[in-house]
Amino acid sequence: AQKVTQAQTEISVVEKEDVTLDCVYETRDTTYYLFWYKQPPSGELVFLIRRNSFDEQNEISGRYSWNFQKSTSSFNFTITASQVVDSAVYFCALSGLNTNAGKSTFGDGTTLTVKP
Amino acid sequence: DTAVSQTPKYLVTQMGNDKSIKCEQNLGHDTMYWYKQDSKKFLKIMFSYNNKELIINETVPNRFSPKSPDKAHLNLHINSLELGDSAVYFCASSLIASGTYNEQFFGPGTRLTVL
Repeated sequence: AQKVTQAQTEISVVEKEDVTLDCVYETRDTTYYLFWYKQPPSGELVFLIRRNSFDEQNEISGRYSWNFQKSTSSFNFTITASQVVDSAVYFCALSGLNTNAGKSTFGDGTTLTVKP
Repeated sequence: DTAVSQTPKYLVTQMGNDKSIKCEQNLGHDTMYWYKQDSKKFLKIMFSYNNKELIINETVPNRFSPKSPDKAHLNLHINSLELGDSAVYFCASSLIASGTYNEQFFGPGTRLTVL
């Protein structure tokens, strides 16, 4: 079985603050992929990043950065200098390639509110 | 060009009715999915098809029946609709090539309201 835990249900910050969204996962697969998706108030689901289990390099894309640590089974997402447009529900997801091929497990999501 | 499309976008119906939601992707992906998102925004996978074959069938009432006529289409038929079926249903697609697992592209969602 695989599981994704996003312990933070809701986070509220003021614009320009940095914020980190936590994601902890469980899987028995040796090969797996981790994802982050964003769901803004308009409702669509937008892909942000993918990481495979063999690549622990951190990634930075503009104000977004991701920290993947296999030792703690975590894949955290940091937004630097947050903006109102970052307000959304963010989902972390896990897809295994061995025993769970074809199944994507999503965390319960973290609702981020950025206030002006 | 819409990558993953769903019809209808909104569906309002009475309890006990039967309804279908259609999904099409033009990305050349080999895997398609149906997800249910409830009012609390929890996103749960329902079904997954790879090359028209069912590979994931979560604990979903058998009133829900997916059908994949080809790799580009995955439809969802729901019989005897119940109040608890009210939710947003998302279709998604991805490419699962050998040794890799790519991101999913989601449709715009179908908001189903059962009265």
